[in-house]
Amino acid sequence: GQQVMQIPQYQHVQEGEDFTTYCNSSTTLSNIQWYKQRPGGHPVFLIQLVKSGEVKKQKRLTFQFGEAKKNSSLHITATQTTDVGTYFCAGPTPGDYKLSFGAGTTVTVRA
Amino acid sequence: SAVISQKPSRDICQRGTSLTIQCQVDSQVTMMFWYRQQPGQSLTLIATANQGSEATYESGFVIDKFPISRPNLTFSTLTVSNMSPEDSSIYLCSARRGGRREETQYFGPGTRLLVL
Repeated sequence: GQQVMQIPQYQHVQEGEDFTTYCNSSTTLSNIQWYKQRPGGHPVFLIQLVKSGEVKKQKRLTFQFGEAKKNSSLHITATQTTDVGTYFCAGPTPGDYKLSFGAGTTVTVRA
Repeated sequence: SAVISQKPSRDICQRGTSLTIQCQVDSQVTMMFWYRQQPGQSLTLIATANQGSEATYESGFVIDKFPISRPNLTFSTLTVSNMSPEDSSIYLCSARRGGRREETQYFGPGTRLLVL
């Protein structure tokens, strides 16, 4: 079955620095979604990418969908303490209605 | 968007007992799901709750252990039966307004379960 893999699993960032988390799928995806889960909270939808090579920005967050639609990345610039949490990517299981979630990247920020 | 509420928000239960978790969506949705999330882990799909019929369970999850009901398009329950400490986890209800895979999934706040 499909596997969605994320790296790194943990990202410890100095406040103000940039970082990137990566998501890779074993199969081509029709779309990819990103969610953020704050500590003690529940996953909250951030964005969806559908087109090959698509790039979307939300303030300091830049999301990219690979040309082959098998990978995606989330880049955060000038990290702030509000960016703390776990970021999950998720893609639809081929031929199915379900989402397959990556393991997540847990981000901590040092001031 | 869809607003999802869950009850209870947390509970501490004794081994061998059962707990029923309720999930209420503020509007009609096509699909409802139940996930489990161990501390520091990703989301594991338990089952898809089907309105008016038996839920569709994922590998490793069975109806006798996790009976699910979905009497209408806005409500579902998950029961964790004959609990053991290994069932300690966060249980999340999720919903998708339509049936297409491109649609956003929304999550409830979760039920934090500790089994002693």
